[in-house]
Amino acid sequence: QKEVEQNSGPLSVPEGAIASLNCTYSDRGSQSFFWYRQYSGKSPELIMFIYSNGDKEDGRFTAQLNKASQYVSLLIRDSQPSDSATYLCAVNDFNKFYFGSGTKLNVKP
Amino acid sequence: DTGVSQNPRHKITKRGQNVTFRCDPISEHNRLYWYRQTLGQGPEFLTYFQNEAQLEKSRLLSDRFSAERPKGSFSTLEIQRTEQGDSAMYLCASSSTGKDRNIQYFGAGTRLSVL
Repeated sequence: QKEVEQNSGPLSVPEGAIASLNCTYSDRGSQSFFWYRQYSGKSPELIMFIYSNGDKEDGRFTAQLNKASQYVSLLIRDSQPSDSATYLCAVNDFNKFYFGSGTKLNVKP
Repeated sequence: DTGVSQNPRHKITKRGQNVTFRCDPISEHNRLYWYRQTLGQGPEFLTYFQNEAQLEKSRLLSDRFSAERPKGSFSTLEIQRTEQGDSAMYLCASSSTGKDRNIQYFGAGTRLSVL
């Protein structure tokens, strides 16, 4: 079973700050990495995906991947109260997706 | 097409009963996934179809669970002789093939409560 580890949180940040969410994975051969946002009682929605080492930016979101350290992170700049949700890290391995248990983010106004 | 549709949204059943859930994927998507999510956990992969072929099945899926996707369109997930431990949210997701094959779109889920 592939392992995807996340700190469950909650991570509390003030409005306007940078939120940093982290994820580690066990399978060195994993190729594709995903961040999903899940509001309470709702289904996951894809925020970003990253395949290559380095940074990938999309609006207020930046995904960072370090395959040597088996580490992927998500930075949320200018955090808003509407960003308060659980953030799920997922890894793809031959068309099967393995999810972490998620980090709960609270953005305080 | 408005996205992945799952029915019913909620299902309450008594232990030992059989239940069936339905998933209608986005029409042009030929990949379909089933997941189970319990409180405080991320989705757990159950099974995956490409068109009508079931290509992967998790060891988490006991012989009480079966999934079908006739004609490569909608899919059904059946749980026989339900147990209280089956209580969870059952999520369906679909994706296309090609360069967007890893972009999954989730349905709203079916919440199962086994009494």
